Amino acid sequence: AQSVTQPDIHITVSEGASLELRCNYSYGATPYLFWYVQSPGQGLQLLLKYFSGDTLVQGIKGFEAEFKRSQSSFNLRKPSVHWSDAAEYFCAVGAPSGTYKYIFGTGTRLKVLA
Amino acid sequence: SQTIHQWPATLVQPVGSPLSLECTVEGTSNPNLYWYRQAAGRGLQLLFYSIGIGQISSEVPQNLSASRPQDRQFILSSKKLLLSDSGFYLCAWKRGSTDTQYFGPGTRLTVL
Repeated sequence: AQSVTQPDIHITVSEGASLELRCNYSYGATPYLFWYVQSPGQGLQLLLKYFSGDTLVQGIKGFEAEFKRSQSSFNLRKPSVHWSDAAEYFCAVGAPSGTYKYIFGTGTRLKVLA
Repeated sequence: SQTIHQWPATLVQPVGSPLSLECTVEGTSNPNLYWYRQAAGRGLQLLFYSIGIGQISSEVPQNLSASRPQDRQFILSSKKLLLSDSGFYLCAWKRGSTDTQYFGPGTRLTVL
């Protein structure tokens, strides 16, 4: 069965520190991959997506993610975290053959210390 | 450009009362539409999705129903709310089967 795992429920980092949020998936083929961010009380905003091509994807707000087929991972990174990055982050996958549904991870809540 | 609206933004309802949440998308036609729920501290649960007018797929059997009376309108309903229906409801859309999903601002529902 297809699944997405975000192993870290909570992560705390200091402002200015680097960040890596983990995402692992289980899929029969290379899926479409997404990272979304959700601020409290708001909808989800797309940070970046991977469909094909270069495995290092650049997104908004200085985020990037790297697709590693051998590890079935799509980890999100940022070299220097800002206090405004405190939010919840969701990884999602969709089938490249076409699907109406995406599978979302359970999310990682990021806290940033001043 | 495309925009997605949800209303109301916040709703407090007594147990046993009916519910109607509305979602509309502007700037596109024939979108795939989705209803998700987030319970406190939980991830996203897909409730319903629709690939066309009058076509509704239910993901989780429950106290809720969905309808799509117009191409860009998606409604989530209940005849009698339960306490467990409390949560944050998100509507989303995407163009086709292989595209990015975009989310609305959400509705916070509290059932007392």
